[in-house]
Amino acid sequence: QQQVKQSPQSLIVQKGGISIINCAYENTAFDYFPWYQQFPGKGPALLIAIRPDVSEKKEGRFTISFNKSAKQFSLHIMDSQPGDSATYFCAARRSGGYQKVTFGIGTKLQVIP
Amino acid sequence: GAGVSQSPRYKVAKRGQDVALRCDPISGHVSLFWYQQALGQGPEFLTYFQNEAQLDKSGLPSDRFFAERPEGSVSTLKIQRTQQEDSAVYLCASSLSGLDFANTGELFFGEGSRLTVL
Repeated sequence: QQQVKQSPQSLIVQKGGISIINCAYENTAFDYFPWYQQFPGKGPALLIAIRPDVSEKKEGRFTISFNKSAKQFSLHIMDSQPGDSATYFCAARRSGGYQKVTFGIGTKLQVIP
Repeated sequence: GAGVSQSPRYKVAKRGQDVALRCDPISGHVSLFWYQQALGQGPEFLTYFQNEAQLDKSGLPSDRFFAERPEGSVSTLKIQRTQQEDSAVYLCASSLSGLDFANTGELFFGEGSRLTVL
């Protein structure tokens, strides 16, 4: 079953616009929510991450918003650039034990000039 | 090298053949994961090692899949009697920490091994 639900599966944004990707989870044991960026032919790479004790985290043009009560979190990419074109995965890691990470289905982002 | 290295990058196998995929993690990384990524999907967990111990193999889809990390460094994922549904990219990731959650637990992925079963 899909423990982390991600939408949309594809997104086209004009250069300079805001890209928004949404994710939702069910398992309240999740305590760490990373976003990974994957370019074609490459492995995913950590972009930004948040823990549930904060509602927002910003790193440069990338912001995660987290709503613990709704069990939802989202990635906002401000001033989107063609170089941001990639597939983005939200993910979650459960507490206790080791760092098993569960990924969403991915969002293929295309930023057009 | 500085990153996670996987080989081969591409493998074509005839149905029924056995394949072996290799992962060389970042030196000193305790945790090693294997993920399977089907086309257009997110990575799906297969198995986890802490050093040489395989602590979780709950994601392995069948007993045709076997993984090992005998010396706590290089790992091999073996698939016996490959089937067409095994076609996917197999990603290896390593992480510095183990059961201790003191670190962020960032996963460092290799570029993957793309397996095509004909």
